Amino acid sequence: DVVMTQTPVSLPVSLGGQASISCRSSQSLVHSNGNTYLHWYLQKPGQSPQLLIYRVSNRFSGVPDRFSGSGSGTDFTLKISRVEPEDLGDYYCLQSTHFPWTFGGGTKLELK
Amino acid sequence: EVQLQESGPGLVKPSQSLSLTCSVTGYSITSNYWGWIRKFPGNKMEWMGYISYSGSTSYNPSLKSRISITRDTSKNQFFLQLNSVTTEDTATYYCARCRSGSYYFDYWGQGVMVTVSS
Repeated sequence: DVVMTQTPVSLPVSLGGQASISCRSSQSLVHSNGNTYLHWYLQKPGQSPQLLIYRVSNRFSGVPDRFSGSGSGTDFTLKISRVEPEDLGDYYCLQSTHFPWTFGGGTKLELK
Repeated sequence: EVQLQESGPGLVKPSQSLSLTCSVTGYSITSNYWGWIRKFPGNKMEWMGYISYSGSTSYNPSLKSRISITRDTSKNQFFLQLNSVTTEDTATYYCARCRSGSYYFDYWGQGVMVTVSS
């Protein structure tokens, strides 16, 4: 299975500040068709996960442009600028290039 | 608007079967893929499997032969059955829609917590 290593596990931030979360895969996430199926989710307390970014860098409908995704191959990053209270929660990356699809271990974004 | 709702028992005895239903409104399950994901205590998330628009399935090998995902298109529902459960199957179970071609889960149910205990 592809192991998705997310860092850090916990990320204290100040409101208005910037946050960066890393997701590294144990093998390349470039599919044989040339696409890279790496996605980012936020799970707020008491809610189901919500899609933020799909296929590395595409913001899902309604997601503020404070969220941005980048990366390639095995190394991916989610950046959040101007952190707001509603951004706090658990962030996960998901790879759907290789079966079985696998999630990162999660990053808790919390107030400093 | 696409909405998904899980239902099923919140408590299952060890060695028995876990059965959950996902009811979908606002979109036909004969399009795209429809999956089950679970989140364990301690926050690890696991993709369990999906059923496609055509009815074909794909499962996580970690679940071996214990898992089955089926559907009823007339009711716009799909189902999860997990056999021979143990306490390690205690988790919150989510159903979600997976977009064809991009393979991300965009709409999720609210989740149902299932505890395996005698």
